[in-house]
Amino acid sequence: GENVEQHPSTLSVQEGDSAVIKCTYSDSASNYFPWYKQELGKGPQLIIDIRSNVGEKKDQRIAVTLNKTAKHFSLHITETQPEDSAVYFCAASEAGDDKIIFGKGTRLHILP
Amino acid sequence: GAVVSQHPSRVICKSGTSVKIECRSLDFQATTMFWYRQFPKQSLMLMATSNEGSKATYEQGVEKDKFLINHASLTLSTLTVTSAHPEDSSFYICSARQAFSSYNSPLHFGNGTRLTVT
Repeated sequence: GENVEQHPSTLSVQEGDSAVIKCTYSDSASNYFPWYKQELGKGPQLIIDIRSNVGEKKDQRIAVTLNKTAKHFSLHITETQPEDSAVYFCAASEAGDDKIIFGKGTRLHILP
Repeated sequence: GAVVSQHPSRVICKSGTSVKIECRSLDFQATTMFWYRQFPKQSLMLMATSNEGSKATYEQGVEKDKFLINHASLTLSTLTVTSAHPEDSSFYICSARQAFSSYNSPLHFGNGTRLTVT
C-alpha cells in the first residue's frame, strides 16, 4: 500500500520568509496529492491539491510542486504570516481508491 | 460550500458507556464518509470508510463491534463508541466526499470530536 513520508516534523520560520515542506510517496499509481492545514482543536482544511498531470500549482502565497519521476511533492509558502502557524499534512491517493493516506504532519511556527 | 458538521465537539463520558458522534454534510450529498482518529501531535489514522446504505469497511486493527458506524442517508454518518474505556479517549474526525465525484476529488473534514473517557 501507499506510504507517505513528510519532512520536517517541525519547522520554524521568521515572519515574511518562505517555508518549504517536502513529502515522498511510494506508490507510483498515486495521482492525487492534497495538502491540509490543521489548526489546534480543529479538523484539517484543504489548502491546495495537485494531480499527477500537473507539475506545479499556485494559489496566492501557496504553491505545490510535483515530481512524478522522483515521487516527491512539496508545499511552498511565501511571505509567511503569523496565521500560517499550524500543522500541515501532505497526502496521496491512488486513482480508483477512495482512501487518502496522510503524512505524519509538519508543525510550522512563524516567529515574530 | 462543502461544509461538514460534526457533533458534539467535545464529550466526556464514564467508562463502560457508549457515545455517538454525528457527521453531517450540510450543503452536499456524500455517498462516502471517512472516520479518522488522531492522537495528540500525531497524524490522522483512518478507522473506517462509511458507505451510504451498506456496511462500513474497517481498517485492519479497528474493532467493528466497538466502533459502530451507520450511514443511513446521503448527509449523515454516525460513529458510536461502545463500552468506552479510557484508552478510547482521542480526537475523532470525519470527512466526506461529494457524491458522484471522482475518487480524486477533495475530502472535506469536520472539526472533530474530543472524546474523554473517565
